[in-house]
Amino acid sequence: GEDVEQSLFLSVREGDSSVINCTYTDSSSTYLYWYKQEPGAGLQLLTYIFSNMDMKQDQRLTVLLNKKDKHLSLRIADTQTGDSAIYFCAEGAYSSASKIIFGSGTRLSIRP
Amino acid sequence: GAGVSQSPSNKVTEKGKDVELRCDPISGHTALYWYRQSLGQGLEFLIYFQGNSAPDKSGLPSDRFSAERTGGSVSTLTIQRTQQEDSAVYLCAIEGGLDGYTFGSGTRLTVV
Repeated sequence: GEDVEQSLFLSVREGDSSVINCTYTDSSSTYLYWYKQEPGAGLQLLTYIFSNMDMKQDQRLTVLLNKKDKHLSLRIADTQTGDSAIYFCAEGAYSSASKIIFGSGTRLSIRP
Repeated sequence: GAGVSQSPSNKVTEKGKDVELRCDPISGHTALYWYRQSLGQGLEFLIYFQGNSAPDKSGLPSDRFSAERTGGSVSTLTIQRTQQEDSAVYLCAIEGGLDGYTFGSGTRLTVV
């Protein structure tokens, strides 16, 4: 069945890069997503990548996709205290009627 | 979030009671999803509705859970004979595919 796995915690020093990793099982996934959940807030779409892409960059965010290994990563450059949140990896197919499967989330904490 | 209103925002109920959670999306969205997020857990898919098609109920954890969507708009999630393990944040979301989901703020259910 579909499954998305990610580590539960990551701690980085302010100003360093954060790399959050994710693996998924459904090879038919068309989209891979990263969602961000800040403390006490709802989930917000951070970025996504099509399955036919290897990389996507958006300002401080870089998404890398290794489709062969079904591995997705999110790199946050120059990590700031405002980046503290839970980051969810998710996979889905191209259809407005397709459910998206989420990972358990990685809690990113920033130390001074 | 904008576009999806959930009520109540918080609900405390006694074990064994029934509860109804409401999701009110803005008009024009045919796909509607329910997820739940337990403490320290990821998002667990529960059910989704797509237009007039039969809903995908594959994520409902037991027959105590049911959901309906009236008139293609408002949806209610009903939990009968609540148990303590039902305590979680129940999230409603609309759409899917390219732009991912837009989530509501959720209903925090506490069963005591």
